[in-house]
Amino acid sequence: AQTVTQSQPEMSVQEAETVTLSCTYDTSESDYYLFWYKQPPSRQMILVIRQEAYKQQNATENRFSVNFQKAAKSFSLKISDSQLGDAAMYFCAYRNKLIFGTGTRLQVFP
Amino acid sequence: DTGVSQNPRHKITKRGQNVTFRCDPISEHNRLYWYRQTLGQGPEFLTYFQNEAQLEKSRLLSDRFSAERPKGSFSTLEIQRTEQGDSAMYLCASSPEVGNVFYGYTFGSGTRLTVV
Repeated sequence: AQTVTQSQPEMSVQEAETVTLSCTYDTSESDYYLFWYKQPPSRQMILVIRQEAYKQQNATENRFSVNFQKAAKSFSLKISDSQLGDAAMYFCAYRNKLIFGTGTRLQVFP
Repeated sequence: DTGVSQNPRHKITKRGQNVTFRCDPISEHNRLYWYRQTLGQGPEFLTYFQNEAQLEKSRLLSDRFSAERPKGSFSTLEIQRTEQGDSAMYLCASSPEVGNVFYGYTFGSGTRLTVV
């Protein structure tokens, strides 16, 4: 069965600094998608970034980028130039079986 | 179309009562998903529809839960004989899916259910 593991329940970063959130997953499939979602307190889940497993190039969306290591089944999220608005729960998710990790709470300090 | 809409936002019910939640997806999205999220956890998949067909149900979806998507538009999730363990945030998401390309889900704000 597919699993997604986020080993960092909480992380903190100072404004303007860079932080990396970790995610590992387990699957026997070769073609799949991976996602990072952001969930601010009491607000809806927002897609941050998406990676297709067959693409070797790491996805990038403005200040957000991933380090996708398919052989190691690792999918970390790097947030550069952190902003106060980045504070949220971050969930790593695997699809094709619609599986989310347990999340990492990110705090951003001014 | 402003996104995925869920109603109600909050529902408090007594144990044993039935509740129904509604989800209106983005109109051009053919896939619709229901998730349950408890405090401190990631969302857990319950079921999903492609158009009006319910294609997969999680083992979490007991016989007390039923979901429908008539005409492939809005969807309802009903919980019968609610139990305190049903207290959670129920999230709906929709996605376009063209062939095998998947673009990610758009989530609604959720319905928070409290069973007392």
